[in-house]
Amino acid sequence: QKEVEQNSGPLSVPEGAIASLNCTYSDRGSQSFFWYRQYSGKSPELIMFIYSNGDKEDGRFTAQLNKASQYVSLLIRDSHPSDSATYLCAVLTGFQKLVFGTGTRLLVSP
Amino acid sequence: DAGVIQSPRHEVTEMGQEVTLRCKPISGHNSLFWYRQTMMRGLELLIYFNNNVPIDDSGMPEDRFSAKMPNASFSTLKIQPSEPRDSAVYFCASSFSGSTETQYFGPGTRLLVL
Repeated sequence: QKEVEQNSGPLSVPEGAIASLNCTYSDRGSQSFFWYRQYSGKSPELIMFIYSNGDKEDGRFTAQLNKASQYVSLLIRDSHPSDSATYLCAVLTGFQKLVFGTGTRLLVSP
Repeated sequence: DAGVIQSPRHEVTEMGQEVTLRCKPISGHNSLFWYRQTMMRGLELLIYFNNNVPIDDSGMPEDRFSAKMPNASFSTLKIQPSEPRDSAVYFCASSFSGSTETQYFGPGTRLLVL
């Protein structure tokens, strides 16, 4: 079992819709959870982080964490074509190591 | 403020040659990370320095890989000898203090070993 798992996609949504990206992790000692966005040919950039169970909102982005289910998600409201990218879930494990998923490719069509 | 700086941005070399990748972290950051990204394996941590000291090098694939951080503003990742399977994008990232803090990534070095 991979430490951090994501569906590779592509996830296709029409412009203006809500995009839902999901991530599961295996280490129950994981403390912090991050979502990075990576455009093709570019480096990852941090979008959001979440430490506590529940929802955390930042503009059009909402991160959701459920530690009991070992599940973290990212919702993007009012999707724009410019949101088309690969979204990487990263988990800080109990060993203080940041482990990345392989990413979900999001395509937002105009 | 300047972000993380990496050089070269692209490197093409032949199998068996030595490759040296360079990184300058963001000023004031005391943690530096080297990652490798491939389509098959995604983004993998190779080595992590804190205050110039290697903390976790469990991700370094084998003895052909070595990394140094002689001072707070410079790090190198060396591959000797290089092999075609080393072809990947190598990212350097830095943070204010360890893995618990936000990591900022450099633009990466695209390495192709022929």
